[in-house]
Amino acid sequence: AQSVTQPDIHITVSEGASLELRCNYSYGATPYLFWYVQSPGQGLQLLLKYFSGDTLVQGIKGFEAEFKRSQSSFNLRKPSVHWSDAAEYFCAVGFFRGTSYGKLTFGQGTILTVHP
Amino acid sequence: GAVVSQHPSRVICKSGTSVKIECRSLDFQATTMFWYRQFPKQSLMLMATSNEGSKATYEQGVEKDKFLINHASLTLSTLTVTSAHPEDSSFYICSAMGVLVPPTYNEQFFGPGTRLTVL
Repeated sequence: AQSVTQPDIHITVSEGASLELRCNYSYGATPYLFWYVQSPGQGLQLLLKYFSGDTLVQGIKGFEAEFKRSQSSFNLRKPSVHWSDAAEYFCAVGFFRGTSYGKLTFGQGTILTVHP
Repeated sequence: GAVVSQHPSRVICKSGTSVKIECRSLDFQATTMFWYRQFPKQSLMLMATSNEGSKATYEQGVEKDKFLINHASLTLSTLTVTSAHPEDSSFYICSAMGVLVPPTYNEQFFGPGTRLTVL
C-alpha cells in the first residue's frame, strides 16, 4: 500500500526567506504526486502535481517541487516566503487503478508559520 | 472553473439524530467523488469513494451503515451520518474528479468542508 511521510510537523520561517517542505513516499509503481495547501477551516487547494516528464514542477503562488525517484521524495520549495503562505501543507500520492481510481493518500501535513 | 461546494458549512446536532451533507460540483460533471474526514490537527483520512450510479467503496474501518453515501447524479453526492454521536464530530471534506480530460484529468477538486458537532 502507498504511504506518504512529511517529516516536519511544524516549520517556522521569516518572511522573505526560502522554504523547503519535505515529502517522502512509498509506492510500488510510478507515483502521481500532489502538493495541497489548506488554510484554517478550509478545503484544500492544489499547488502542483507530478504525473510524468520534467521532474521539476512549477505550481501556483511561486511554488515548485522536484521529483527524485532515487530518494522517493517530492519536496516543495519556494524561494521567498510571503506572510500569506502561512497555512498547512499536505503532500499526497494518487492511486489510479480499479474501483479506487483517483484515491489519494495524504501525508500528516506540515504547518508553516511565517514571522514578519 | 472546477468549483465544488458543500452544504452546510457547519452543523450542530443532538446525539442520535442523522445529518446529511451535500457535495456539489458546480461547473463540471463529477464521475467520482470522495469523502474525507479530518480530525483537529491531523491529516485527511479517506472514508469512501463514490462513482455516479454505483455503490460507494468504503475504506477499511469505515462503517457503511453509519456513513451512507449516495452519488445519484454527476453533480451531487451526499453523506448521511446516521444516529450521530459525539465521536462523529469532525471536519468532513468532499472532493470531485471530473471527466478525464487534460489538463485537469486525475485531479481532485475539494469542497470547503463541513464542520459537524454532535452534542
